[in-house]
Amino acid sequence: NAGVTQTPKFQVLKTGQSMTLQCAQDMNHEYMSWYRQDPGMGLRLIHYSVGAGITDQGEVPNGYNVSRSTTEDFPLRLLSAAPSQTSVYFCASSYSPIYYEQYFGPGTRLTVT
Amino acid sequence: AQKVTQAQTEISVVEKEDVTLDCVYETRDTTYYLFWYKQPPSGELVFLIRRNSFDEQNEISGRYSWNFQKSTSSFNFTITASQVVDSAVYFCALLDTGTASKLTFGTGTRLQVTL
Repeated sequence: NAGVTQTPKFQVLKTGQSMTLQCAQDMNHEYMSWYRQDPGMGLRLIHYSVGAGITDQGEVPNGYNVSRSTTEDFPLRLLSAAPSQTSVYFCASSYSPIYYEQYFGPGTRLTVT
Repeated sequence: AQKVTQAQTEISVVEKEDVTLDCVYETRDTTYYLFWYKQPPSGELVFLIRRNSFDEQNEISGRYSWNFQKSTSSFNFTITASQVVDSAVYFCALLDTGTASKLTFGTGTRLQVTL
């Protein structure tokens, strides 16, 4: 099992550019989520999905879009990058966030200039 | 709304010392889950423990132990005989059944263990 994979590992964008952060898991987990980690603020939930075709907003969803067309993949789209979106992004998955721990990907470090 | 407070921003200890990382939480739910995650310098997040609100028994796993006290809304984490490899940022997190898909993290405690 590869677990949770994220690409790219690093990315630099200019303000206004768009891009998609990829996340995939091979554990057949129904639940997937995206977090951002900023210094001194811990991890904050952006969007999550409880299964293919179902997504919902987390704590800080503005500026991001998600979709879940398959169980395996949960991409995060930045529509028009802003410097405030400079952060480390983590994808996570779980059979169920209540009964099982979430497995995290290695993260994507994004810088917006 | 739920909240997790890790008041210790950074702790430095010398190897072999014991160290306790504090975690205080707030939630209106009677059923909730608490977690600890470790983030070593390499950056990945590693799951350490999950505890539900009905299980107040303390847990020991090797050099790690956890003290869950509902009366004080605390879920503290102790490392006994710390080692340099324990150097990391440690996050406490809360998931309550009211917002079952949302894991609320504390801001983390950076632990530095030196020789």
